Amino acid sequence: EVQLVESGGGLIQPGGSLRLACAASGFTVSSNYMSWVRHAPGKGLEWVSVIYTGGSTYYADSVKGRFTISRDNSKNTLFLQMNNLRAEDTAMYYCARVDNIVWNQFDHWGQGALVTVSS
Amino acid sequence: DIQMTQSPSSLSASVGDRVTITCRASQSIGRYLNWYQQKPGKAPKLLIYAAYSLQSGVPSRFSGSGSGTDFTLTISSLQPEDFATYYCQQSFTTPYTFGQGTNLEIK
Repeated sequence: EVQLVESGGGLIQPGGSLRLACAASGFTVSSNYMSWVRHAPGKGLEWVSVIYTGGSTYYADSVKGRFTISRDNSKNTLFLQMNNLRAEDTAMYYCARVDNIVWNQFDHWGQGALVTVSS
Repeated sequence: DIQMTQSPSSLSASVGDRVTITCRASQSIGRYLNWYQQKPGKAPKLLIYAAYSLQSGVPSRFSGSGSGTDFTLTISSLQPEDFATYYCQQSFTTPYTFGQGTNLEIK
C-alpha cells in the first residue's frame, strides 16, 4: 500500500527556515516524480515544486530561490527546505506522488504538514 | 505559465442532482487535465486524470470530458459525501497549475 507521511511543520518567525520531510512506503521515491502542493487558509491549492526521476527540479515563482526540493533515496524520503519564510507561506503543505508514466497525475497524497509563519 | 479558470466558483445543489463544473486552460494542454476532490481538513483526492480516465476506486457517477482548452467534470447523481471543493489541474508543463476551486454546497 502506498503511504506518504509528512513531518517537520510548525510555527516559525518571518525570515526563518524549516525543513519538511515526506516519508514514503509502498513504492520507491526515486522511481517517480514527487511534488509539493500547499493550501493556504481560505485559498485554493497551489503547486509548489517537483523533482523528476532524473533529479531535475522545478519551482513556483512564489518560492523560487527560497525553497529547495530534494530526496534521500536511502531513506525513501522527500524533503522541502524552506528558507527566508514569509507570512504568505503559511499553509498546509502536502507531498504527492506523481504518476509519470504518461499523464503526470498526482495519485497519492500525504496527510499534510502545517507551517505557520508569524512573529 | 498556463492559467486554469474554473466555473462556477461555488455551486448549491441537492442530493440526486446532476452537476457540471467547467475548467478552461489559457492554452492547449491536450488531455493533461486532472480533477481532485478536497474535503475540509483532508488531503486532495484524485478523481479523474487524462481528462476522462476514472481513478481506481472512484464511483462511476464521476465523469470527465474535453481536450485542448475546455474541460468538464460531471457528477451524475449527487450523493451526500460529494459535497466538497473540486479543483482542476493541468499536468502538461510546469508550473502544474490548479484552478481556483469550485465549492459544492448542499442546497
